[in-house]
Amino acid sequence: QKEVEQNSGPLSVPEGAIASLNCTYSDRVSQSFFWYRQYSGKSPELIMSIYSNGDKEDGRFTAQLNKASQYVSLLIRDSQPSDSATYLCAVRGGGNNRLAFGKGNQVVVIP
Amino acid sequence: DGGITQSPKYLFRKEGQNVTLSCEQNLNHDAMYWYRQDPGQGLRLIYYSQIVNDFQKGDIAEGYSVSREKKESFPLTVTSAQKNPTAFYLCASSIGRASGETQYFGPGTRLLVL
Repeated sequence: QKEVEQNSGPLSVPEGAIASLNCTYSDRVSQSFFWYRQYSGKSPELIMSIYSNGDKEDGRFTAQLNKASQYVSLLIRDSQPSDSATYLCAVRGGGNNRLAFGKGNQVVVIP
Repeated sequence: DGGITQSPKYLFRKEGQNVTLSCEQNLNHDAMYWYRQDPGQGLRLIYYSQIVNDFQKGDIAEGYSVSREKKESFPLTVTSAQKNPTAFYLCASSIGRASGETQYFGPGTRLLVL
């Protein structure tokens, strides 16, 4: 079982709609969870970090964490063409400072 | 203007050649990391360093070497033993060694084999 799994295939959403991305992880004692955005040919940039169960909102982005079910999700409200990118889920396990990354989800916002 | 710099942006390696990728940060971060990204893949950890003069192997350290002589610098050498070096190399840093610290990335170096 892979450490961090993200849905495969690109996600196409109309401009103004909500994009929903999911990520599951295998290490039950994981403590820290991150979403990074990566534009084509560029390096990842941090969007959100979340450490506790529940929702965390920052502007148009909401991260949701459910440790019992071992998943973390990212919602992008009012999607804009500038949101078109690959979104990487990263999880840090308990007891170390290594990040495990998923393969990423490509989001395409259609004007 | 604080941040992480990587150079060069593009690097070409000939067969049997060792090449060194530079990573410098002026964020006063203790921890630094090197990742490799292949097309359609997630990031894989090569090496990391939590403090000057100390570093640990990541998941794919074979064919690579690092040094951490200064807090600000963490160069990565891709040796001739790395048979498939073509990839996007990313350097990152974080404030400290605590498990919750966020990692921030440099702009990356793209390595190509001639």
